[in-house]
Amino acid sequence: EDKVVQSPLSLVVHEGDTVTLNCSYEVTNFRSLLWYKQEKKAPTFLFMLTSSGIEKKSGRLSSILDKKELFSILNITATQTGDSAVYLCAVPSGGSNYKLTFGKGTLLTVNP
Amino acid sequence: GAGVSQTPSNKVTEKGKYVELRCDPISGHTALYWYRQSLGQGPEFLIYFQGTGAADDSGLPNDRFFAVRPEGSVSTLKIQRTERGDSAVYLCASSPAGSVNEQFFGPGTRLTVL
Repeated sequence: EDKVVQSPLSLVVHEGDTVTLNCSYEVTNFRSLLWYKQEKKAPTFLFMLTSSGIEKKSGRLSSILDKKELFSILNITATQTGDSAVYLCAVPSGGSNYKLTFGKGTLLTVNP
Repeated sequence: GAGVSQTPSNKVTEKGKYVELRCDPISGHTALYWYRQSLGQGPEFLIYFQGTGAADDSGLPNDRFFAVRPEGSVSTLKIQRTERGDSAVYLCASSPAGSVNEQFFGPGTRLTVL
């Protein structure tokens, strides 16, 4: 059965800290890995990763994929209170390219 | 442009009642998905539409759940004889043709079954 495991499940930091969120996966016919940020309800798309070792970057957020070790990390530098959210990792699973299997998410709290 | 919208944002119903949840996808997106998210969990896949047809409904938990997309745009998720275990946030997502793994989510409908 395809699965996605995220760690830690929750994390509390102070503004300005750097955080690393982890996502490991087991899936047949890997196609891509996606990161989402969920604040109130709607997950918002952050990154899609398909190739090992190529960092994707958007402002203070960056992510990289390791297809050999089957994991991805999401880094956030110089955290701000607005970064507080649940960060979800997902992979298309079941042999499909559309049926996303999500991890439980990491709840990040950034305190001022 | 407008994102995915869902109505109602909250729905409270009694056990045994019928509910309908509506999703308006991003204009021009051909693919539409429904997911269900329980507290402390990631979203779980329910159903995928490509155009008007349900291409994959393998995530629907049982025959009390049904979804339609008659004109290939708006979709309605229908739940009959609701049970307390159906309480969750129901999320809708859409994606453009050729990019089915880039899914854009709506704000969800929080369903509470008393």
